Amino acid sequence: DSGVTQTPKHLITATGQRVTLRCSPRSGDLSVYWYQQSLDQGLQFLIQYYNGEERAKGNILERFSAQQFPDLHSELNLSSLELGDSALYFCASSVARGTEAFFGQGTRLTVV
Amino acid sequence: AQSVTQLDSQVPVFEEAPVELRCNYSSSVSVYLFWYVQYPNQGLQLLLKYLSGSTLVKGINGFEAEFNKSQTSFHLRKPSVHISDTAEYFCAVSEPGGSEKLVFGKGTKLTVNP
Repeated sequence: DSGVTQTPKHLITATGQRVTLRCSPRSGDLSVYWYQQSLDQGLQFLIQYYNGEERAKGNILERFSAQQFPDLHSELNLSSLELGDSALYFCASSVARGTEAFFGQGTRLTVV
Repeated sequence: AQSVTQLDSQVPVFEEAPVELRCNYSSSVSVYLFWYVQYPNQGLQLLLKYLSGSTLVKGINGFEAEFNKSQTSFHLRKPSVHISDTAEYFCAVSEPGGSEKLVFGKGTKLTVNP
């Protein structure tokens, strides 16, 4: 158990819909990262938050957004979903620079 | 920009045989290097990391890796594998001092056969 909790574990939704994925980082970790894992693109960095503020952005679509709340949990919002958004979405957290990131179990999103 | 190349997409081996999973990276700056393992339907678990210091890094489950700066490689090795090592292995790089986001390779599927 990495200490990073993601909910829900599985999500099935229709095209055009909007979903929210939730991540609780390890206690004390200020940094939260979101990654997408798909068969064709592999593991790709989406976005990072540090202590409530956006720190880095990767290949995140405009239909996707994220935020980190004062209690440090984070949410990834995916809207106007398309079939190609079906993937495993991982959250990771780290305590500080120069330390490793710990990953959650992921949320498997299926868009039908 | 950083990139990671895992040279083998699949590696089949027999139980108790040695294994090496190859990883090369590209970066114009100094790097941190990681190996993660993903078991079926699981998240990513850190096997080992290189941040600085000794270039030979030992990790969990008997794995080790060697950082070779001149060859920009970070190959993962285990002298004797078990059936339970069957999983997908990802090499990743990050840039110290920046966001430290991970850039992953495409992964190597290790299958250990009896």
